[in-house]
Amino acid sequence: DGGITQSPKYLFRKEGQNVTLSCEQNLNHDAMYWYRQDPGQGLRLIYYSQIVNDFQKGDIAEGYSVSREKKESFPLTVTSAQKNPTAFYLCAIVKDRGFYGYTFGSGTRLTVV
Amino acid sequence: GESVGLHLPTLSVQEGDNSIINCAYSNSASDYFIWYKQESGKGPQFIIDIRSNMDKRQGQRVTVLLNKTVKHLSLQIAATQPGDSAVYFCAESGAQGAQKLVFGQGTRLTINP
Repeated sequence: DGGITQSPKYLFRKEGQNVTLSCEQNLNHDAMYWYRQDPGQGLRLIYYSQIVNDFQKGDIAEGYSVSREKKESFPLTVTSAQKNPTAFYLCAIVKDRGFYGYTFGSGTRLTVV
Repeated sequence: GESVGLHLPTLSVQEGDNSIINCAYSNSASDYFIWYKQESGKGPQFIIDIRSNMDKRQGQRVTVLLNKTVKHLSLQIAATQPGDSAVYFCAESGAQGAQKLVFGQGTRLTINP
């Protein structure tokens, strides 16, 4: 998994429910990111965190929340305020110092039922 | 090449031919560029990167070319194989100082036997 693990792989949400997606890393790196991917489209940044207990909104943060209580964990909650949550969610870390790009997790596919 | 919209640009090539995937980036201040490959249902995988002080970089069967004058990036894949079928994304470093990448829409590469 390259040091980054996302779970679950598939997740189903009922209307009006909050769900939390997990992202864990064991590489002791600071920066972690959440992206959303819709079919046939690129990746859009939801939230990112560069240090424990701190995070910033990305381009499409509305309807989402995050926490960064531990360096190894950056969970994403998709709230009921997110009106179109069905998508593929990707977590990423900066694997190498000096910023040599992201390493992505395997993704979580969220579907509203 | 990359474009905004709901329809993913596609490129079809014959097995064994060379492929060229193009990308127009937006920020003249970007100093780092990456190409990713994404297979269906998986997270993107790093292919090759290039910094703005270079105009060409070669890897195994892949070459990235950077033209800063026209803000254009290309990925060349030599002797394309069936396993090269995937969606390819270019990404550029953000201008805000944070370690953020901005992704293009992606191009779907299909290999014909």
